[in-house]
Amino acid sequence: EPEVTQTPSHQVTQMGQEVILRCVPISNHLYFYWYRQILGQKVEFLVSFYNNEISEKSEIFDDQFSVERPDGSNFTLKIRSTKLEDSAMYFCASKWEETQYFGPGTRLLVL
Amino acid sequence: EDKVVQSPLSLVVHEGDTVTLNCSYEVTNFRSLLWYKQEKKAPTFLFMLTSSGIEKKSGRLSSILDKKELFSILNITATQTGDSAVYLCVHGGSNYKLTFGKGTLLTVNP
Repeated sequence: EPEVTQTPSHQVTQMGQEVILRCVPISNHLYFYWYRQILGQKVEFLVSFYNNEISEKSEIFDDQFSVERPDGSNFTLKIRSTKLEDSAMYFCASKWEETQYFGPGTRLLVL
Repeated sequence: EDKVVQSPLSLVVHEGDTVTLNCSYEVTNFRSLLWYKQEKKAPTFLFMLTSSGIEKKSGRLSSILDKKELFSILNITATQTGDSAVYLCVHGGSNYKLTFGKGTLLTVNP
């Protein structure tokens, strides 16, 4: 069964560094999403992406964040200058019809 | 701001018990109400509900939506230890943006 994949599974970085989280959505899905889950808190929407542009973003998704679909398969989330509070699990999802399918997540730890 | 509230936040039962998980919501532009199961990492899809009063069923799990009273329930009958997980109630809004509840942590003891 096709699944959303994400790399890396874990990333540790120093505050102020740039990180790129990678996702390969299920092929033939057209809508893509990033969510994050800070430890012990609920999953929060970051951004949705369709037709090579952002369709909606949350207040969390400020100028430090960007998304890109550099080729036909990858969907990336870049955090330009990481802060301690960016430490979280980041989930990518892609949508078919009304259902979003989630990847296994990248656990980001900012020191 | 859309809000999804789940109760209880945690629940401990014995194998074979039946459980009911509750979800109430206050949202603008309701599209759908979804249930996901989160074990170790990624939430996995269980049900999507869009119409009031129609029960969705999959094996021992079932769910129903009441759009008038703005709530949904997830029932699990004859629970098994493998049902232990966090169950997430989620509103699917415009642009299919998902708003999550905090989840109910279900622990099924043998």
